Amino acid sequence: GAGVSQSPRYKVAKRGQDVALRCDPISGHVSLFWYQQALGQGPEFLTYFQNEAQLDKSGLPSDRFFAERPEGSVSTLKIQRTQQEDSAVYLCASSPVGARGYTFGSGTRLTVV
Amino acid sequence: DAKTTQPTSMDCAEGRAANLPCNHSTISGNEYVYWYRQIHSQGPQYIIHGLKNNETNEMASLIITEDRKSSTLILPHATLRDTAVYYCIVRVDGSSNTGKLIFGQGTTLQVKP
Repeated sequence: GAGVSQSPRYKVAKRGQDVALRCDPISGHVSLFWYQQALGQGPEFLTYFQNEAQLDKSGLPSDRFFAERPEGSVSTLKIQRTQQEDSAVYLCASSPVGARGYTFGSGTRLTVV
Repeated sequence: DAKTTQPTSMDCAEGRAANLPCNHSTISGNEYVYWYRQIHSQGPQYIIHGLKNNETNEMASLIITEDRKSSTLILPHATLRDTAVYYCIVRVDGSSNTGKLIFGQGTTLQVKP
C-alpha cells in the first residue's frame, strides 16, 4: 500500500482482556517503530525493529507488552491483561534503512473499560 | 539526550507566515533537528530536518542559529489545514543506532481565518 496501515482503527477491551494490534509497514521498509500516545501528550517510544530483529524495547512499560515482527514485514503489538492506564493511541512508523524521516500510520485507539 | 523547549500554543492568521520557535541548547554536534506535525486523529507527519544549514522544502523552511541552540520552523503561507501540533525533536542515536524520536509536548498552532 501507499502508507503505513494499522488495524483495527479502534479497539475497546474489557480490563484483563488480551489485545493484538497490527501494523503493515510500507513495503520494503526495514525499520519499524511502535509508539504510545496518551490523550493530550506527545507520542512515547515503545520499541524498534530492524527487519525481524527487535533492537530496542526499552520503552515497553511492562512485561505485559510484547511486540513481534517474525518475517520482517508485518508487526504485532500484543498487550496482555489490559489495564485502564493502557488506554491510548498506539502508533506504528516505518522507514527505509538510513532514512531520516519516518512515515507514521493513523494509529489504533485502544480504550480499556 | 538533548531536549527541546517549545511554546505551548500559537495563533496565526490564514495566509500569513507562521514562525514556530524551538530551543535545544544542549544539542550535540552530530544531532539533527527534526520537525513533525500531527493533525487531529492522524499520525505524526514528517516536515523537515537539518543539521546546521538552513533547509527548505515544499512544506516549510527550517532556520537553525549558528550556535545550533535554537531553530525556527517557517510555514510561509499558513492555511487552515496547517492547524496541528508541531513537534521539534532532536534525533537520538543510541548504542543500537535506532534513531528513535523523543517527542515533547509540541506547539499547538491554530490558523485562523
